[in-house]
Amino acid sequence: EVQLLESGGGLVQPGGSLRLSCAASGFTFSNNAMSWVRQAPGKGLEWVSGISGSGRNTYYADSVKGRFTISRDNSKNTLYLQMNSLKAEDTAVYYCARDLNVDFWSGYYGFFDCWGQGTLVTVSS
Amino acid sequence: DIQMTQSPSSLSASVGDRVTITCRASQGVSNYLAWFQQKPGKAPKSLIYAASTLQNGVPSKFSGSGSGTDFTLTISSVQPEDFATYYCQQYNSYPPTFGPGTKVDIK
Repeated sequence: EVQLLESGGGLVQPGGSLRLSCAASGFTFSNNAMSWVRQAPGKGLEWVSGISGSGRNTYYADSVKGRFTISRDNSKNTLYLQMNSLKAEDTAVYYCARDLNVDFWSGYYGFFDCWGQGTLVTVSS
Repeated sequence: DIQMTQSPSSLSASVGDRVTITCRASQGVSNYLAWFQQKPGKAPKSLIYAASTLQNGVPSKFSGSGSGTDFTLTISSVQPEDFATYYCQQYNSYPPTFGPGTKVDIK
């Protein structure tokens, strides 16, 4: 059974940093691209960042480019999201999601077939 | 970015009703369209990808159709466990984008 378990969320002040982790099990981790998708309180879903199965290729939404860094450790079956210079508008539940394929390519940018339970990030003073 | 819209934003249905939700993309996305179900306090669950392909384990009462800019999700006979918010998502153009959601509740 595929399982994705996020951790690392919490309360952080504006301008602060946080690192999220997503532990994966039940599948061959390196065979799938992974993404982070967030949901602000009472709002819809927003794709944040993606990474290919090898970790070689990374992708970011404009809203987080230059502030967030996605990475993965395939030896530990773990996905990460390093979040710096956090803003109030980054407050959300962050989900990790498995992609159907090993990477994005022209004309294909991510179908997310399995999701973790989410971790809440609150940016507030 | 491609903008996704959904209609209606909410609807009330009785158990056994046929429910149809519409999703429209601001530009053509071929059939690179997915549907997700989300219940309060839970993670989204994938239902359909490639506009009409059911994810493993999803009951056949769910169906999807469409191509290009206009898509529909249909629940043939809505049951109590189907009351939730439904999101469409395009993945043909970068970045992938979601619709605002359609909340289906009990009449």
